[in-house]
Amino acid sequence: EVQLVESGGGLVKPGGSLRLSCAASGFMFSSYSMNWVRQAPGKGLEWVSSISGSSNYIYYADSVRGRFTISRDNAKNSLYLQMNSLRAEDTAVYYCARVRAARLGLDAFDIWGQGTMVTVSS
Amino acid sequence: EIVLTQSPATLSLSPGERATLSCRASQSVSSYLAWYQQKPGQAPRLLIYDASNRATGIPARFSGSGSGTDFTLTISSLEPEDFAVYYCQQRSNWPVTFGQGTRLEIK
Repeated sequence: EVQLVESGGGLVKPGGSLRLSCAASGFMFSSYSMNWVRQAPGKGLEWVSSISGSSNYIYYADSVRGRFTISRDNAKNSLYLQMNSLRAEDTAVYYCARVRAARLGLDAFDIWGQGTMVTVSS
Repeated sequence: EIVLTQSPATLSLSPGERATLSCRASQSVSSYLAWYQQKPGQAPRLLIYDASNRATGIPARFSGSGSGTDFTLTISSLEPEDFAVYYCQQRSNWPVTFGQGTRLEIK
């Protein structure tokens, strides 16, 4: 079964750091670009970051550039999001999501994890 | 950044009725538009990709159309499980962007 499982969310103070993980299974992880998408409570979806299969291409939303770092370990079938200098407005459910077609960077997201909640509050 | 504007914000219909949801892009996205369904407490589910292609396992009552800047998601005959929030998303240019969503509620 194709599956993504996020972990690492929690409560953190403003200015703090958190590292999210996403464990992939059931597909050739290294062939697919992966993404982080977040959703603030009661709000819509916001794309956060994308990384290509070989990590050669990395993109960030302006709202997180310079504070967040996306990475992956293909040997461990895992995706990561290092979040530094966290702000209250970063409070959201964070989803990892796979692109639909292997070797495509920009594509629809066909597989999503269940999400992990990040709360930034003092 | 390409802005996607969805309308209406809320759509109230009854089971069995036809639903028509719209998504307008601030500039052409060709056919690179997707539609997602999200139910409370769940992750989004891909319905339509590249404007008119149904994703794997999506019922035939869901269809998408459009190109350039104007797109439509149609649900031909609403089932009780279709009442949810629907988002459009463009993959034409970075950054990937989503519309603000249309809430489809039971009348």
